[in-house]
Amino acid sequence: SQQGEEDPQALSIQEGENATMNCSYKTSINNLQWYRQNSGRGLVHLILIRSNEREKHSGRLRVTLDTSKKSSSLLITASRAADTASYFCASIGAGSYQLTFGKGTKLSVIP
Amino acid sequence: GAVVSQHPSRVICKSGTSVKIECRSLDFQATTMFWYRQFPKQSLMLMATSNEGSKATYEQGVEKDKFLINHASLTLSTLTVTSAHPEDSSFYICSASESVTQPQHFGDGTRLSIL
Repeated sequence: SQQGEEDPQALSIQEGENATMNCSYKTSINNLQWYRQNSGRGLVHLILIRSNEREKHSGRLRVTLDTSKKSSSLLITASRAADTASYFCASIGAGSYQLTFGKGTKLSVIP
Repeated sequence: GAVVSQHPSRVICKSGTSVKIECRSLDFQATTMFWYRQFPKQSLMLMATSNEGSKATYEQGVEKDKFLINHASLTLSTLTVTSAHPEDSSFYICSASESVTQPQHFGDGTRLSIL
């Protein structure tokens, strides 16, 4: 399966700033999900946005979806050092049930 | 929340050894489990999809005789890396979902190092 692209590949910000990560995908999707991975650990599901939704919030997270551009963004507001991790988007194609992961963004939040 | 337990978390063994990795859903029944492989600083690559009571579906390029998958119950799937070699060293992660329309819940991964 093809992987999507994410940018930036790495992002370093100061604590308290906002972090924005972008993701693009190639095919029509059923939904798109964002995951977080701490170094050497498994993935933690953050948020799911369906293809008929344009924006979703969860705490300090805001996800947008633009199906016309086949892209999504994840915004983390008021970042904390504990937000330091890699963030992956993953899409489920229409008629499929398999996740196709993006390449990920490594976020470093400096205290 | 849904919890997936993966064991062991780390394995170091000699070339030629077979290694079994377990993936358990602790508080839900998983009709489908997925096995991924992740190389350093890269994303997750799906290896196979495991359905309870049936044969696993392998992705293109993944040797099914090399990576044996068993999903004998609704809470347990195992991945056995047979006759492992150094090139099999990687981070293996499983995930499980209650149904194909539900989010996948991931285990903490297994770091496999073959000497």
